[in-house]
Amino acid sequence: GQQVMQIPQYQHVQEGEDFTTYCNSSTTLSNIQWYKQRPGGHPVFLIQLVKSGEVKKQKRLTFQFGEAKKNSSLHITATQTTDVGTYFCSVNYGQNFVFGPGTRLSVLP
Amino acid sequence: DAGVTQSPTHLIKTRGQQVTLRCSPISGHKSVSWYQQVLGQGPQFIFQYYEKEERGRGNFPDRFSARQFPNYSSELNVNALLLGDSALYLCASSLAGGGFVEKLFFGSGTQLSVL
Repeated sequence: GQQVMQIPQYQHVQEGEDFTTYCNSSTTLSNIQWYKQRPGGHPVFLIQLVKSGEVKKQKRLTFQFGEAKKNSSLHITATQTTDVGTYFCSVNYGQNFVFGPGTRLSVLP
Repeated sequence: DAGVTQSPTHLIKTRGQQVTLRCSPISGHKSVSWYQQVLGQGPQFIFQYYEKEERGRGNFPDRFSARQFPNYSSELNVNALLLGDSALYLCASSLAGGGFVEKLFFGSGTQLSVL
């Protein structure tokens, strides 16, 4: 079936450092979404990207959709302990929703 | 407004048994989708229902079934439970069932343990 890849699998950063996670698909995507799941919690919607080359910002978070609409990135500037969690990208393949394996972020105070 | 509610929160079953999980979507949302999340992995899509009709199905065996009721709530049934069915089962609701630009709202999930 269709898959999306995410790298890295884990990332440990010192508080204040930047963090980036990447999501890649072998096929062109109609849209992509990003979710955050805190430890012991459920996924929470962050953003959706639709247009080629789109860049959206939410405070310290910057989301980008690739020009070919096959990849996306999430960048966090100056991480805080509240950023801890797993970040998932999610795509629609027809009527199916596919989540990437996630990037688990740890932030050391 | 209440968010997506799921019941029960935790469940322990033995191999071969059957289980029913329940989900109530956000008021006004007509679409419900179900996911299985094994610890350390991303959610795996099981089903999507919209207006009581199945709109999408993931790569799960026929032991998994679901339905949506007129009030848009939904049930997920799993028959002949296997140890590998142990996971967090998440329900998500959304406004429409188009599958395109769909913002999903997740419930807190049902943690199923199969012994």
